[in-house]
Amino acid sequence: DAKTTQPPSMDCAEGRAANLPCNHSTISGNEYVYWYRQIHSQGPQYIIHGLKNNETNEMASLIITEDRKSSTLILPHATLRDTAVYYCIVLKAAGNKLTFGGGTRVLVKP
Amino acid sequence: DVKVTQSSRYLVKRTGEKVFLECVQDMDHENMFWYRQDPGLGLRLIYFSYDVKMKEKGDIPEGYSVSREKKERFSLILESASTNQTSMYLCASSLHIGSGNQPQHFGDGTRLSIL
Repeated sequence: DAKTTQPPSMDCAEGRAANLPCNHSTISGNEYVYWYRQIHSQGPQYIIHGLKNNETNEMASLIITEDRKSSTLILPHATLRDTAVYYCIVLKAAGNKLTFGGGTRVLVKP
Repeated sequence: DVKVTQSSRYLVKRTGEKVFLECVQDMDHENMFWYRQDPGLGLRLIYFSYDVKMKEKGDIPEGYSVSREKKERFSLILESASTNQTSMYLCASSLHIGSGNQPQHFGDGTRLSIL
């Protein structure tokens, strides 16, 4: 599975959009981009995933560049409860193993 | 919503004990997984199962075994607990469809301490 690169940390103001970048320049054609987050002392929570089209659900939007070498997770109106470590993962459709890198530690401030 | 329930949030056991960690999912998922998560080492796959009575080794199966007698339940067994098995243990499940696997959904984890 392709490796991903994320900034180690970022702050966001409550009520503003949070844009979390992820680089995955070695992604191959059959690999999906997944996003998870982990709030302190809880299990990871699935957020969203996509192959090449932009995706949106009730939690977030995922924007994937046309060359698929990078993506951005958008939390449209960040709340204090969105404070967590966010992980970007690239995984084949049949992949069975999730591997979390360092992730981005997001702190939402009042 | 998918619900993955792990039997204990916190557990303390002694070296040499046989330890059972239980996981139940309520969404009829075919795939179930056991991971451990340690600071600086990230998430590591111990075992997974894609069907009842089926199991596959992950990256770090040594010292562990698993059991899947029913589709909804996946148990992790530490045969003889050792201090280096002190960790956060996470269970996950996912649906298998024709084109591949769907996202994995996790329980809240069991923080296991071996003394």
